[in-house]
Amino acid sequence: DTGVSQNPRHKITKRGQNVTFRCDPISEHNRLYWYRQTLGQGPEFLTYFQNEAQLEKSRLLSDRFSAERPKGSFSTLEIQRTEQGDSAMYLCAGLLAGGGFEDGYTFGSGTRLTVV
Amino acid sequence: GQQLNQSPQSMFIQEGEDVSMNCTSSSIFNTWLWYKQDPGEGPVLLIALYKAGELTSNGRLTAQFGITRKDSFLNISASIPSDVGIYFCAGQIPNAGGTSYGKLTFGQGTILTVHP
Repeated sequence: DTGVSQNPRHKITKRGQNVTFRCDPISEHNRLYWYRQTLGQGPEFLTYFQNEAQLEKSRLLSDRFSAERPKGSFSTLEIQRTEQGDSAMYLCAGLLAGGGFEDGYTFGSGTRLTVV
Repeated sequence: GQQLNQSPQSMFIQEGEDVSMNCTSSSIFNTWLWYKQDPGEGPVLLIALYKAGELTSNGRLTAQFGITRKDSFLNISASIPSDVGIYFCAGQIPNAGGTSYGKLTFGQGTILTVHP
């Protein structure tokens, strides 16, 4: 148990549909990061939150993507009008306030999205 | 954007052999990290490096932060079958304001296969 839960673990959707993923970090994670990982590649940064504020968004995050973190707890990542190129593993990571990478930066198990 | 070049892409070794992989970047990083990822799971941190020239060990793993701050290597000694997986380097770019702490750039990964 990494302390970061992601749901669902797998999602298959038809092109053009909207999908939403959820990330539940532990309560002490004041920062929350979203990454996307395509097959055969390393994770790529998408966006991050400090508490409820979204502080940075990657150029990879097109207008069809939106992320929220209401009340600074769980976070959701929504993709509208999905395209086949959106097929990937979506990873969430939490960072403890004042924590270092060894004890405070934890990835969830990811949500694997397949767009057919 | 910043890129990390990780090599080799894959390795096939016999149990008991030593392994070495490395990452280079065109940009300076203030933190180098090495992760292992098993199929269907998120990356798990192996070693974190914070200072140029730093050499750190974690059991059979040894990693170094290059003097130029643009490279790092990971060695695994006396490999065992459970070392199988994908290894990623990741770096954090210096940010004067500290606002991008935790935003990581990943390499493409090294797939390690260990034959018993």
